[in-house]
Amino acid sequence: KQEVTQIPAALSVPEGENLVLNCSFTDSAIYNLQWFRQDPGKGLTSLLLIQSSQREQTSGRLNASLDKSSGRSTLYIAASQPGDSATYLCAVNDNQGGKLIFGQGTELSVKP
Amino acid sequence: KAGVTQTPRYLIKTRGQQVTLSCSPISGHRSVSWYQQTPGQGLQFLFEYFSETQRNKGNFPGRFSGRQFSNSRSEMNVSTLELGDSALYLCASRADGGNTEAFFGQGTRLTVV
Repeated sequence: KQEVTQIPAALSVPEGENLVLNCSFTDSAIYNLQWFRQDPGKGLTSLLLIQSSQREQTSGRLNASLDKSSGRSTLYIAASQPGDSATYLCAVNDNQGGKLIFGQGTELSVKP
Repeated sequence: KAGVTQTPRYLIKTRGQQVTLSCSPISGHRSVSWYQQTPGQGLQFLFEYFSETQRNKGNFPGRFSGRQFSNSRSEMNVSTLELGDSALYLCASRADGGNTEAFFGQGTRLTVV
């Protein structure tokens, strides 16, 4: 049974710092992994989708890597800003359908 | 391009009642998935519909059901509501199968009293 873990559960950093969020999964047979952002009480915003054949994806200040063999992904945020404060969730798709398996998320706070 | 639309945004219901939530996916998308989000359990998969057929199902009781219409809009129904059903219900839209990106709506906040 696929399980997804995110460490740390919460993170507080000063503005301008570069930071790394971690995601691990127990079964390496995945189709893809997706990173999301969620603001309090809101829906999920897709940040990056990495297919199983890819090693990394980049969008602006965000870079996500994927190491399938070790069951790990990282989300790198460069030059963090207070507007980056949110909960970040990773989810794996290990089936041909649309079922995503989510981690518990990392709550990020960027202090001005 | 319009995003994923969920209605209503907020609902308050009484124990024992039933409720229907609606999700309109992105135009052209054929897959709609539903998730329940609670502080204790996080995001849990309910079910997925693709071209009007249920393709995947999570581990929820039969009180939770859904359907998809020919225009890809989907509804989720919960019967005999319990206090524990209070949650944020999110739907996700995909163009096709599991290789495509999932886009989420803003959710419906259901409170059962």
